Amino acid sequence: ETGVTQSPTHLIKTRGQQVTLRCSSQSGHNTVSWYQQALGQGPQFIFQYYREEENGRGNFPPRFSGLQFPNYSSELNVNALELDDSALYLCASSLAGRGAMGYTFGSGTRLTVV
Amino acid sequence: DAKTTQPNSMESNEEEPVHLPCNHSTISGTDYIHWYRQLPSQGPEYVIHGLTSNVNNRMASLAIAEDRKSSTLILHRATLRDAAVYYCILRDSNSGYALNFGKGTSLLVTP
Repeated sequence: ETGVTQSPTHLIKTRGQQVTLRCSSQSGHNTVSWYQQALGQGPQFIFQYYREEENGRGNFPPRFSGLQFPNYSSELNVNALELDDSALYLCASSLAGRGAMGYTFGSGTRLTVV
Repeated sequence: DAKTTQPNSMESNEEEPVHLPCNHSTISGTDYIHWYRQLPSQGPEYVIHGLTSNVNNRMASLAIAEDRKSSTLILHRATLRDAAVYYCILRDSNSGYALNFGKGTSLLVTP
């Protein structure tokens, strides 16, 4: 069984630009969620996708958006990048209805905004 | 999700047991207690979860207080590879999705 894979692993962008991060969920999982982790902090929930629709969102502005594809992979898009968007972005997958069970996380994409 | 309180850091000697405490005095009846850990430069890793009864798996044991207001993650024999940030998270099985990570406990394991 494959785990969660994220790409790219590192990325440097300029303030004001747009970025797309990608995630392939673990085999058999149909739900994908995204988290932002600033240095020295715990991950913060951005949003979750199930059946290609967003079904939960944390306290993040609309310039953070996402997609889930029929194969359950997902993208996180961030528009109008700000310096504070510099963080580790984590993708996690799970099986809907088994939320009480564990999530599988990827190793993340390290985004630096300059 | 209800909040949890954990010590900022703990230290253990290699080969010795480690008891990582977590307080969750506002836990509700439908909250599961989850533990994740995050090794350096990696994403969080699921460790264990439970509702009321103590739980054991190959990684750790979870001891839950009778009133469920606290729990303890037990690593039976710490190794250097167990050095990580450990997060205690309450998750309502009815409300779906988000894991509410706090700052966790940073565990240092010394040889």
